[in-house]
Amino acid sequence: RKEVEQDPGPFNVPEGATVAFNCTYSNSASQSFFWYRQDCRKEPKLLMSVYSSGNEDGRFTAQLNRASQYISLLIRDSKLSDSATYLCVVVPAGGTSYGKLTFGQGTILTVHP
Amino acid sequence: DTAVSQTPKYLVTQMGNDKSIKCEQNLGHDTMYWYKQDSKKFLKIMFSYNNKELIINETVPNRFSPKSPDKAHLNLHINSLELGDSAVYFCASSLRGSGVYEQYFGPGTRLTVT
Repeated sequence: RKEVEQDPGPFNVPEGATVAFNCTYSNSASQSFFWYRQDCRKEPKLLMSVYSSGNEDGRFTAQLNRASQYISLLIRDSKLSDSATYLCVVVPAGGTSYGKLTFGQGTILTVHP
Repeated sequence: DTAVSQTPKYLVTQMGNDKSIKCEQNLGHDTMYWYKQDSKKFLKIMFSYNNKELIINETVPNRFSPKSPDKAHLNLHINSLELGDSAVYFCASSLRGSGVYEQYFGPGTRLTVT
């Protein structure tokens, strides 16, 4: 089983739609979680951290379910500029993994007019 | 005023050659990383340095050797290049402590081995 699994998509949605991505992770001791965004042929950039209580940043909401080892990202009112690959990122437990990010394969989102 | 820069941006070379990729950051970060993104888009960490000290060394062939002359620079030298080394290599940096997982990536070096 992969450490971090995502539905690769692609998700094709119209502007204004609400879309949700899911991600599961295999190591129950994982300690931190993030969503990164990668535009086509560009570098990944941090989108938001994911907290146990859930957190929101504008149109983006991230949720964590530790019991099910599941992370989600919800995008409301999709914009054309949201088209990108969304990478689920998990930090393994353990001091020797300090700074190590484990990336999922990414979910491709295309928002069309 | 680029935050994390890499050179070269594109690298096309033949099997068996030795090549280097350079990375520099001007963010004042003390931790730097090399990641490899293969054709299936999986991004995997290779190495990490904190203040010139190697702290993460994933299972990477010995042909790959990172070098950090100072905390603002992290270079990657690859010996005896193979077809399977073709990928995009990203350098990243962060600040040790609570911000260590907020990593800033360079634009990537697209390596093609023929």
